[in-house]
Amino acid sequence: IAGITQAPTSQILAAGRRMTLRCTQDMRHNAMYWYRQDLGLGLRLIHYSNTAGTTGKGEVPDGYSVSRANTDDFPLTLASAVPSQTSVYFCASSDSRVPGELFFGEGSRLTVL
Amino acid sequence: GESVGLHLPTLSVQEGDNSIINCAYSNSASDYFIWYKQESGKGPQFIIDIRSNMDKRQGQRVTVLLNKTVKHLSLQIAATQPGDSAVYFCAETDPGGGYQKVTFGTGTKLQVIP
Repeated sequence: IAGITQAPTSQILAAGRRMTLRCTQDMRHNAMYWYRQDLGLGLRLIHYSNTAGTTGKGEVPDGYSVSRANTDDFPLTLASAVPSQTSVYFCASSDSRVPGELFFGEGSRLTVL
Repeated sequence: GESVGLHLPTLSVQEGDNSIINCAYSNSASDYFIWYKQESGKGPQFIIDIRSNMDKRQGQRVTVLLNKTVKHLSLQIAATQPGDSAVYFCAETDPGGGYQKVTFGTGTKLQVIP
């Protein structure tokens, strides 16, 4: 059972470059999320999607965009990366019938130089 | 307990003892609370949840207590084991914001001393 698959697991990129973090789930969950995790700040919600075709802004959406063309995929794009976007990014999904029970991927560690 | 800052609060517990991890929340409208466990290098994992109309819920070796009067949540782990070493996060959802928006605390690191 794969659950949530994120790619890449780690990436270093130069400031100003465009980057897409990929996320795929095989649980047919309707809701998906992107969080960033920074020491001392916990997990902060970037964007979320309640169902395919809809997205919403979380707590820290600036500099990021998402799309939800189908149920399984929820890519996160940094149009022009900046050093403050250095973080560990977690994708998650949930069944809306079970509020708050998120299933997380293993994370993507991104370093922007 | 959890706090905002550059360092992670740490709780050190002897193996076999009980652990209590505390969390204060501020949104009085939150009505669903969850505890997650995150092991080093991995994503968070759901442990247990509790609705606001309850004050206690028990799972396997874990108990969550909710005190809405003082907006306080705690996670009790019985007979703590080395495998319990991890960072623990409390989380909440606000029905006004949609149950899909889960807000996490900053985390507490649990260190189990063998």
